[in-house]
Amino acid sequence: DQQVKQNSPSLSVQEGRISILNCDYTNSMFDYFLWYKKYPAEGPTFLISISSIKDKNEDGRFTVFLNKSAKHLSLHIVPSQPGDSAVYFCAASAGYSSASKIIFGSGTRLSIRP
Amino acid sequence: NAGVTQTPKFRVLKTGQSMTLLCAQDMNHEYMYWYRQDPGMGLRLIHYSVGEGTTAKGEVPDGYNVSRLKKQNFLLGLESAAPSQTSVYFCASSYSRRGHNNEQFFGPGTRLTVL
Repeated sequence: DQQVKQNSPSLSVQEGRISILNCDYTNSMFDYFLWYKKYPAEGPTFLISISSIKDKNEDGRFTVFLNKSAKHLSLHIVPSQPGDSAVYFCAASAGYSSASKIIFGSGTRLSIRP
Repeated sequence: NAGVTQTPKFRVLKTGQSMTLLCAQDMNHEYMYWYRQDPGMGLRLIHYSVGEGTTAKGEVPDGYNVSRLKKQNFLLGLESAAPSQTSVYFCASSYSRRGHNNEQFFGPGTRLTVL
């Protein structure tokens, strides 16, 4: 039972256009959401996060949107660049009672084509 | 500042063999984690530690043991390797709680094959 779902295994976007990566979650206790980016043969690196008290967080070309009622979040990359080609993991965590355990989605491979 | 390092980078084991994966971090983080990544399944938490001398089970702990004798090191042990443990293993560390956005810092991974 996957609590964090990324239903698109892959996405191809033209350079300069907008990339939209989607993520759904089932656990209503999740209150913090993160996106990680991973290049081949490297560990994931933190990209951007959002607390459940917000519905949008922006950092340069990256914006994360959170729709709590739909239990859905998305990552927008504008404009898309070749270096954005990577696997993107959506992740979520809940509560203060334990270590910051994060539940990861299965990832979406983004390819930016020239 | 090396961040999070993992040793070894690659390893091939035979079924039944044992090995230890070493993770080290130089950021003085309290929390450390071991994940495994399998195709189509993202990263799954094996064990984690909230401080020196403490460990706890994650989502998929069976077949693994861990130890955190020093704050900067987190060891993952496989006592009797099985083919189902073929995976890429990632170590991560973070500050405690939410003071730093729950951001976890990952090592480069260890690719383990069990024949």
